[in-house]
Amino acid sequence: QVQLVESGGGVVQPGGSLRLSCAASGFTFSSYGMHWVRQAPGKGLEWVAFIRYDGSNKYYADSVKGRFTISRDNSKNTLYLQMNSLRAEDTAVYYCAKGFQGIFSWGQGTLVTVSS
Amino acid sequence: NFMLTQPHSVSESPGKTVTISCTRSSGSIASNYVQWYQQRPGSSPTTVIYEDNQRPSGVPDRFSGSIDSSSNSASLTISGLKTEDEADYYCQSYDSSNHHWVFGGGTKLTVL
Repeated sequence: QVQLVESGGGVVQPGGSLRLSCAASGFTFSSYGMHWVRQAPGKGLEWVAFIRYDGSNKYYADSVKGRFTISRDNSKNTLYLQMNSLRAEDTAVYYCAKGFQGIFSWGQGTLVTVSS
Repeated sequence: NFMLTQPHSVSESPGKTVTISCTRSSGSIASNYVQWYQQRPGSSPTTVIYEDNQRPSGVPDRFSGSIDSSSNSASLTISGLKTEDEADYYCQSYDSSNHHWVFGGGTKLTVL
C-alpha cells in the first residue's frame, strides 16, 4: 500500500532553514505529482507547493514563494521541501501528499516549529 | 483566485444524515473537481471523495459528494451517521488560473 513518511522537522530560529524529506513507497513514485500541505496548530489545511511527476513544473503558495523550494529525486523515491527565511507563521505540521488536482494519499506529517 | 467557504461546524445525531456545504466565491464550481478530506483528531487527513462524487476504495457508501451549479457549491453528505464520523472535513479544488490548490476552512462535525 501507499506509504509516505516525512522527516526533517524540528525547532528552528526565525530566519533559519530546514529541509524536509518524504520517503515514498508502494506506488510508482516517478509517475505521480506530489504536494506539500501544512497545518498550523489548531488551524485548517493550507496548500504549500506542488511538483509534477517529472519535476518539470513547480508551483507555490504566495505565502512561501521565494522562500521554499520543492524538489524530488525519482531515483530515490523521495520528495523534498527546502525552507529558508523561516518565520513564526511557518510553524505547522507539514504533510507530504500524492496527487494532482486532488490528493489521494497523505503522510503522517512532520512538525516544524519556528521560535527563538 | 477564488475561495471555498464551509460552515464552521455542524452537529447531528447517530443514524441521521448530515450535509456539509462548500461554496466557491468566484468562477464555476464545475470548472475543476472538488475533493473532500476527513481528519479525525490527532490524525492525518484521508480522502473520502474525489472528482466531485467518487469514493476511494474502502470509503463506505454512506459518504457521497455532489456539486450544484445553481448555488455554485459542492456538498458532502454522510448518511447513517456513526460516532466514528466525528471529525473535521475539508473541501478542496484546483485553481487552474494560477496553479494554486485551494482548501476550504474546514467543518467540524459533531455526532452526538
